[in-house]
Amino acid sequence: AQSVAQPEDQVNVAEGNPLTVKCTYSVSGNPYLFWYVQYPNRGLQFLLKYITGDNLVKGSYGFEAEFNKSQTSFHLKKPSALVSDSALYFCAVRRALGTDSWGKFQFGAGTQVVVTP
Amino acid sequence: DAGVTQSPTHLIKTRGQHVTLRCSPISGHKSVSWYQQVLGQGPQFIFQYYEKEERGRGNFPDRFSARQFPNYSSELNVNALLLGDSALYLCASSLAAGVSYEQYFGPGTRLTVT
Repeated sequence: AQSVAQPEDQVNVAEGNPLTVKCTYSVSGNPYLFWYVQYPNRGLQFLLKYITGDNLVKGSYGFEAEFNKSQTSFHLKKPSALVSDSALYFCAVRRALGTDSWGKFQFGAGTQVVVTP
Repeated sequence: DAGVTQSPTHLIKTRGQHVTLRCSPISGHKSVSWYQQVLGQGPQFIFQYYEKEERGRGNFPDRFSARQFPNYSSELNVNALLLGDSALYLCASSLAAGVSYEQYFGPGTRLTVT
């Protein structure tokens, strides 16, 4: 089984301050981890992914995420938040199943980010 | 380049009816997945297709079915609609079906069942 937890329903941050959105996961085997962002009445947009290698992953729009295997976490970060970063953020995990090397995305419940001017 | 497109944008159906949702993937993408997103929750996986074959199925009843066509577009069908089927249905495409491939999502079809 696999699962993803986003412990915060909402994160409030002032523009210009650092932004962190937390994600922890549970999966057997090696995890493949993803972050997506969803704006109102829109589909999800891919931000970044961790497959293997460097624990710090850089993605779109200045976002980055740090993979921590011992803490089973994959927190999303941005050094300086913008008002336009206000949106719903989803963490997702996949794992390989059998020999087909496919795996369904398991999404977290989402974290609403509110950036105030 | 065009992204993933879905039709229709919105749909209102009555309980017991049937609905067909359509999806066109990004050009060159051979895998399509379908998700259901209920308000306030993350997307829930329904199906994944790759090269016209079903590669995965989520925990949804048999009322849900899908197929992928030779041009890689896809349809999601839902029979005997229930009020609980009201949701945003998202289609996502990827180059292939492997776990390392990120999926690119369409804007979704908002289905309301009355």
